[in-house]
Amino acid sequence: GNSVTQMEGPVTLSEEAFLTINCTYTATGYPSLFWYVQYPGEGLQLLLKATKADDKGSNKGFEATYRKETTSFHLEKGSVQVSDSAVYFCALSDPTGNQFYFGTGTSLTVIP
Amino acid sequence: EAQVTQNPRYLITVTGKKLTVTCSQNMNHEYMSWYRQDPGLGLRQIYYSMNVEATDKGDVPEGYKVSRKEKRNFPLILESPSPNQTSLYFCASSLRGGPGTTSYEQYFGPGTRLTVT
Repeated sequence: GNSVTQMEGPVTLSEEAFLTINCTYTATGYPSLFWYVQYPGEGLQLLLKATKADDKGSNKGFEATYRKETTSFHLEKGSVQVSDSAVYFCALSDPTGNQFYFGTGTSLTVIP
Repeated sequence: EAQVTQNPRYLITVTGKKLTVTCSQNMNHEYMSWYRQDPGLGLRQIYYSMNVEATDKGDVPEGYKVSRKEKRNFPLILESPSPNQTSLYFCASSLRGGPGTTSYEQYFGPGTRLTVT
C-alpha cells in the first residue's frame, strides 16, 4: 500500500538555522511527491512538488529532491525565518492522480 | 478571488443527528476531495470526485457520503455522526485529477471543526 512517514516534531530552530525535515514513502508504481505547509488556523498550501525520480522541487528557499533509491523526499532550507513557523506535511499521490496520502505533519517553530 | 469555501467553520452536534458540511470552489476545477485531520494521523482522504457525478472512496470513507451534482459544489454528509468523527475537515480542489495530472496543485479550504458529543 501507499504511506508516508515523516519526522516527528515539534522542531524548534533559531532564525537563520538550517532546516531538514525527513520524509520517506512507500508506494506502488511511481507516485508524485509534495510538501504542503499549514499556517495556524488555515488550510494547507502547496510548498513544492516533484513528479519523477531525481526531480528537485523548490520554492521560497525550500528544496526537496525525489530520491527513488532511498524512497525519500526530505525538505531543506538553508536559513529559516520566523515567518516559516508552521506545520509541514509530506504527501504523495498514487499513479491514478486521484488518491493522496499525507504524513502526520511536523510542527516547526523558529525563534528570533 | 479564487478560493475554496466551507460551511460551517465550526459545528457542535450530537450523536446521530444528520449533518452536511458544504464545500464550494470558484475556480472551475474538475477534481475535489475531502480530508479529515487528526492529531498524530495527519490528513486522511475520505472521498474524492473526478468530475460531476463521478465520486470514489478514499482511505477512510466509512460513515460519510458525498455527492457531486454541480461542478462547483461537493458536500460532505454525515447521516449518523458518532464521536469518532470529531475532527477537523478540509475540502480541496484541483484543476483535474486522473492519470498524468498529479502535477496539479490542490487548493484547500479553511477547514471545518466538527465536534460530535
